[in-house]
Amino acid sequence: DAMVIQNPRYQVTQFGKPVTLSCSQTLNHNVMYWYQQKSSQAPKLLFHYYDKDFNNEADTPDNFQSRRPNTSFCFLDIRSPGLGDAAMYLCATSSRTGDVNGYTFGSGTRLTVV
Amino acid sequence: GQQLNQSPQSMFIQEGEDVSMNCTSSSIFNTWLWYKQDPGEGPVLLIALYKAGELTSNGRLTAQFGITRKDSFLNISASIPSDVGIYFCAVQNYGGSQGNLIFGKGTKLSVKP
Repeated sequence: DAMVIQNPRYQVTQFGKPVTLSCSQTLNHNVMYWYQQKSSQAPKLLFHYYDKDFNNEADTPDNFQSRRPNTSFCFLDIRSPGLGDAAMYLCATSSRTGDVNGYTFGSGTRLTVV
Repeated sequence: GQQLNQSPQSMFIQEGEDVSMNCTSSSIFNTWLWYKQDPGEGPVLLIALYKAGELTSNGRLTAQFGITRKDSFLNISASIPSDVGIYFCAVQNYGGSQGNLIFGKGTKLSVKP
C-alpha cells in the first residue's frame, strides 16, 4: 500500500549527539512536512518542502535542519539534541499545499534524549 | 500565534455512551478537520469540513462546521473500546506556511468496557 514510512520508530540519542530521522513516501506527493509533538501536546509544524523548496517556520530552532534529496525521502537532522527535544516527530505528505484530504501522516519516530 | 481551544481535555466514559467534543477559535477558518491518534501512531483524518454549517457523518462519527466558521464539534455515538485515543481538531493555516495544519490540544478519550 502507498504510505508514509518513518524510521526508526524509536530513537534514543545522547545529549548533544547529532541524530537523523528519516521519512519516505510512495505517494509521489509534492509536499513533505515535519511536525514535532511533545507529550500530551498538539503536533507543531517545524518546516516543510514543496518539491525542493524549503520552508522553515519562524519559531523553529536552528538546531533543526532538513534535507530532501529526492521526491521520496525527507530527513530531519537535529544537530545537538537537548533534553527538551524529546518528542514524537511526525512526517506528513500532501499532493499540494491545501490538499487536506490527501494529507497523510507517518507513524512517527519517538525520540528520547539521555 | 493562532490557537484552537479544544474541550474537554479528557473523557472517561462507559462503552455504549455517546461522546461530544468541541473546538473553538478566535479567528475564522474555512476548513475544519478532525483527526484521531492512536498511541504510538500518527494522526488519521476522520472528517473534513469545508462549508459553514456543514454537518458530515462518517459511520458513528458526526462533525459540524459552525456557522460563524470559528468552531466545530465532533460527536461519537454508541462508543466502543476501539474509540480510545486522542482526538484532535485542526484547521488549515493560510496565514503562515500555506497548507500546514494548526492543531488543538486534543481530547483524550477512554472507554470502559
